[in-house]
Amino acid sequence: QQQVKQSPQSLIVQKGGISIINCAYENTAFDYFPWYQQFPGKGPALLIAIRPDVSEKKEGRFTISFNKSAKQFSLHIMDSQPGDSATYFCAASSSGTYKYIFGTGTRLKVLA
Amino acid sequence: SQTIHQWPATLVQPVGSPLSLECTVEGTSNPNLYWYRQAAGRGLQLLFYSVGIGQISSEVPQNLSASRPQDRQFILSSKKLLLSDSGFYLCAWEPPGATRGEAFFGQGTRLTVV
Repeated sequence: QQQVKQSPQSLIVQKGGISIINCAYENTAFDYFPWYQQFPGKGPALLIAIRPDVSEKKEGRFTISFNKSAKQFSLHIMDSQPGDSATYFCAASSSGTYKYIFGTGTRLKVLA
Repeated sequence: SQTIHQWPATLVQPVGSPLSLECTVEGTSNPNLYWYRQAAGRGLQLLFYSVGIGQISSEVPQNLSASRPQDRQFILSSKKLLLSDSGFYLCAWEPPGATRGEAFFGQGTRLTVV
């Protein structure tokens, strides 16, 4: 119940295409869903985050779509660029706890 | 502004040797502090978290331990390393309180146990 399932494990997209990464969770107590971007040899950095009171959040080329009833959320990267090539992690946590539960990561490669 | 420092960046240690990884945060007070481990091709596994000096919660029983001797200092230790302790160790902090905010990660320590 504490798991966050992330797919796909790896993704190859052409430059200018749309990258889509999906995550699913079971624990209905989760109320914060961040996405992190990690470049090789570096720590993850927060990309965008959403709370379940909204169904979508957009920041530049990055959009989170959230489906509370299905307990799923996804990251969409529009107009994908080679510089977006990185590993992306979804995560979930709930107020009142101190734990972030991370997905297993998606390695994105954007071809030039 | 707040910054997080983690060192060393890379470390090669023999099996059975001790370990000490240090993490410090600047520019904030009473942060929540975390140690994560990232194995190759896997997600981030929470090892320890701390909400105050001397307060450590362990998530995964193993031969690692953590300590928080000062408000903004978090140390990950082991008395005897195992081969399975190899991985990428990440320290993170977030503002105090249980209301979710952004967790900021350090640059990580690549530990190889040989």
